[in-house]
Amino acid sequence: SAVISQKPSRDICQRGTSLTIQCQVDSQVTMMFWYRQQPGQSLTLIATANQGSEATYESGFVIDKFPISRPNLTFSTLTVSNMSPEDSSIYLCSVGQAQRDTQYFGPGTRLTVL
Amino acid sequence: AQKITQTQPGMFVQEKEAVTLDCTYDTSDPSYGLFWYKQPSSGEMIFLIYQGSYDQQNATEGRYSLNFQKARKSANLVISASQLGDSAMYFCAMRPNFGNEKLTFGTGTRLTIIP
Repeated sequence: SAVISQKPSRDICQRGTSLTIQCQVDSQVTMMFWYRQQPGQSLTLIATANQGSEATYESGFVIDKFPISRPNLTFSTLTVSNMSPEDSSIYLCSVGQAQRDTQYFGPGTRLTVL
Repeated sequence: AQKITQTQPGMFVQEKEAVTLDCTYDTSDPSYGLFWYKQPSSGEMIFLIYQGSYDQQNATEGRYSLNFQKARKSANLVISASQLGDSAMYFCAMRPNFGNEKLTFGTGTRLTIIP
């Protein structure tokens, strides 16, 4: 199984600032995803991080607010820009495997915006 | 479009008893996969079990089993001999087997094991 790490594990940020979250995988993976989990809610997909091209965003999420990079097959970053308290959430990256019977998540980044 | 429904927002179960967490789904995809995840208070998402839509047998992983009834579009998680460490949120999710591998999640069930 893929081992996924995320940095930072948690952060407290001020309104109007930006935070970049890193996701590192110990093996090459085809697909990487970024999810958001607002307090007390389920997970919602933000975007699919595509290697070598622009990310594919889900309805309600835009590149200006959540820019994503994927420079290679093991690494991706998600930036939460111009943060507001409504951005307080757990942000999780997830990877797709060659075998389709598993899909793993990173440990998550718990973000609090004051 | 895919939809996952979990109708039990919370459950309380006595330690060592078996528990069934309900999950129903709706999809137009001919081939798909169903997943269950456990989320403890730490926030991490722990993969528990997978069921493919064309698998002939119900999936099992240790104390976890998946009661898959395709005609009813249900994929209930059964935890045998529950333990205090099973207390957590549990999410059912599905994904089409072709194309994008993104998961669609249900709203979750908070399971509390009572000693």
